Amino acid sequence: DIQLTQSPSSLSASVGDRVTITCRASQNIRTYLNWYQQIPGEAPKVLIHSEFHLQSGVPSRFSGTGSGTDFTLTISGLQPEDFATYYCQQSSATPWTFGQGTRVEIK
Amino acid sequence: EVQLVQSGTEVKKPGESQKISCKASGYNFSRHWIAWVRQMPGKGLEWMGFIYPGDSDTRYSPSFQGQVTISADKSINTAYLQWNSLKASDTAIYYCARRHSGAYYDYMDVWGKGTTVIVSS
Repeated sequence: DIQLTQSPSSLSASVGDRVTITCRASQNIRTYLNWYQQIPGEAPKVLIHSEFHLQSGVPSRFSGTGSGTDFTLTISGLQPEDFATYYCQQSSATPWTFGQGTRVEIK
Repeated sequence: EVQLVQSGTEVKKPGESQKISCKASGYNFSRHWIAWVRQMPGKGLEWMGFIYPGDSDTRYSPSFQGQVTISADKSINTAYLQWNSLKASDTAIYYCARRHSGAYYDYMDVWGKGTTVIVSS
């Protein structure tokens, strides 16, 4: 199975901050890396698919970059509604796998 | 509007069977895989498997193979997740999600709100 390692597991940030979350894959997954946001009590929601493609309706302050095994989700200008848990997920091969999640909390 | 509507909370005893559902609307159900994702209390997301309703082709994560059954009825646009004998460790929220795939993309674009299954004696 392809393992995804996210870091950090949690972070505290203030409104307006720039936040970066990384996701490392145990092997080359090309561009098949997706990012999801989960607000407590809600279902996950896709933010970025295929490494850097912004899902329709998602604010442009979210962006993704990557290089086959190392990927980054950046939030440029954290908003109150962004406090949530973020997961990376690979769809390069089954079984699909998720990172362990990064919890973004209010400082 | 594309929607996945999941069945309600279930409270069951260990050893009981259970089948939860995910009803799709707003798109051609037969042409998109439906995935199931588990979230145990306070934990992360785990992909269980998915099914292509058009021909019922099904893929399971090795972690869930033999533990659950994924099925679909395309005549009523509904996918199912089933257990024959529940364990306390099956207590979790179960999400269904539509797989959206193409030449360069493959992700879950629409999610149900989740079904909570509680297994307790």
